[in-house]
Amino acid sequence: GAVVSQHPSRVICKSGTSVKIECRSLDFQATTMFWYRQFPKQSLMLMATSNEGSKATYEQGVEKDKFLINHASLTLSTLTVTSAHPEDSSFYICSANSWGTRNTEAFFGQGTRLTVV
Amino acid sequence: DAKTTQPTSMDCAEGRAANLPCNHSTISGNEYVYWYRQIHSQGPQYIIHGLKNNETNEMASLIITEDRKSSTLILPHATLRDTAVYYCIVRAYNQGGKLIFGQGTELSVKP
Repeated sequence: GAVVSQHPSRVICKSGTSVKIECRSLDFQATTMFWYRQFPKQSLMLMATSNEGSKATYEQGVEKDKFLINHASLTLSTLTVTSAHPEDSSFYICSANSWGTRNTEAFFGQGTRLTVV
Repeated sequence: DAKTTQPTSMDCAEGRAANLPCNHSTISGNEYVYWYRQIHSQGPQYIIHGLKNNETNEMASLIITEDRKSSTLILPHATLRDTAVYYCIVRAYNQGGKLIFGQGTELSVKP
């Protein structure tokens, strides 16, 4: 199957700082990417839809100014957690769809474990 | 909101078939049934999807009822590495649509 890579896989940051997470589609062009957050013992919660070349669409209750998403190319989307606080500690996962070729399934990254101290 | 209902947890003996049910009684005519699984602390992995016919691939089989209101994922010979949370999701095809995850079924394969 297609490969989606996230970086970093694990990050620890101080409260008040910003953290950037990258999501790359390695062998296909991803016109749409999705960002999810997952707390322990819970399911994945969709945060936003990222479309190449346009603004992201955020789900209800997700602060767009806190979770900045940039999808500047067909192979890269970034999620920046700004002014991180301990309650932002979570497992962040991206997925990528390829419109027109592999649009029958979404491919997921391995996730990024964020710990804010 | 998720449009599927799954049992919270299931056990299966190693080497036996694991049958995971899913109810999706409000599924629309253009919506497919997708199955993903998530092994602890990893991203979800695609397993299989179908519209109305039964499907089989190297990982699993998907049986969809004639009225499409429910389906069953079958892992024919479960191994310990199949221990994971299994998610049944309905999604419209060809829309690049987002996947909305429910709570899934936590499958434990035991020796």
